[in-house]
Amino acid sequence: AQSVTQLDSQVPVFEEAPVELRCNYSSSVSVYLFWYVQYPNQGLQLLLKYLSGSTLVESINGFEAEFNKSQTSFHLRKPSVHISDTAEYFCAVTFGQAGTALIFGKGTTLSVSS
Amino acid sequence: DTAVSQTPKYLVTQMGNDKSIKCEQNLGHDTMYWYKQDSKKFLKIMFSYNNKELIINETVPNRFSPKSPDKAHLNLHINSLELGDSAVYFCASSTSGGQYFGPGTRLTVL
Repeated sequence: AQSVTQLDSQVPVFEEAPVELRCNYSSSVSVYLFWYVQYPNQGLQLLLKYLSGSTLVESINGFEAEFNKSQTSFHLRKPSVHISDTAEYFCAVTFGQAGTALIFGKGTTLSVSS
Repeated sequence: DTAVSQTPKYLVTQMGNDKSIKCEQNLGHDTMYWYKQDSKKFLKIMFSYNNKELIINETVPNRFSPKSPDKAHLNLHINSLELGDSAVYFCASSTSGGQYFGPGTRLTVL
């Protein structure tokens, strides 16, 4: 069955430390991969996406993710986090073709403290 | 300009009532969705429409009925509300480049 696994439910880090949020998927067909961020009591914002081409994708606020087909992973990284990065992060996948429904992981709570 | 909007943002109602949530997108997308986020923040697809036609209908009780009057709108009507329907409901629209979500509607059934 097709699925998405976020390996860490909570990740506490100190400000300016690096962080990696892990995401693995299971699929026998082509995939399109996404990271969404949800700030408290808000909707989901698309953080970055992999559709094709370069396996390393970047967001405008310093996050990056790398698609690794052999390891079926799409981990999210940031070299130095800020307090304002505190949020829930969701990895999501569509299978087969872009535009189909997203399958979400269970989310990772990133808590950044000073 | 709001890309995907939902109304209302909060909805508090009694068990057994019927309620609707409206969604509109001004992105020109062909496909729209309803997702449910439960109390543990897990997100799951409920319905998907493409050009006003139902594409995905997950195992959702038939008390939930989506309606798409045109490509820019996808409303969700819920009959005979139950306690377990309490959740945040998100509308989304998409192109091949990804899905864009509305701000969500927090439904509380008392």
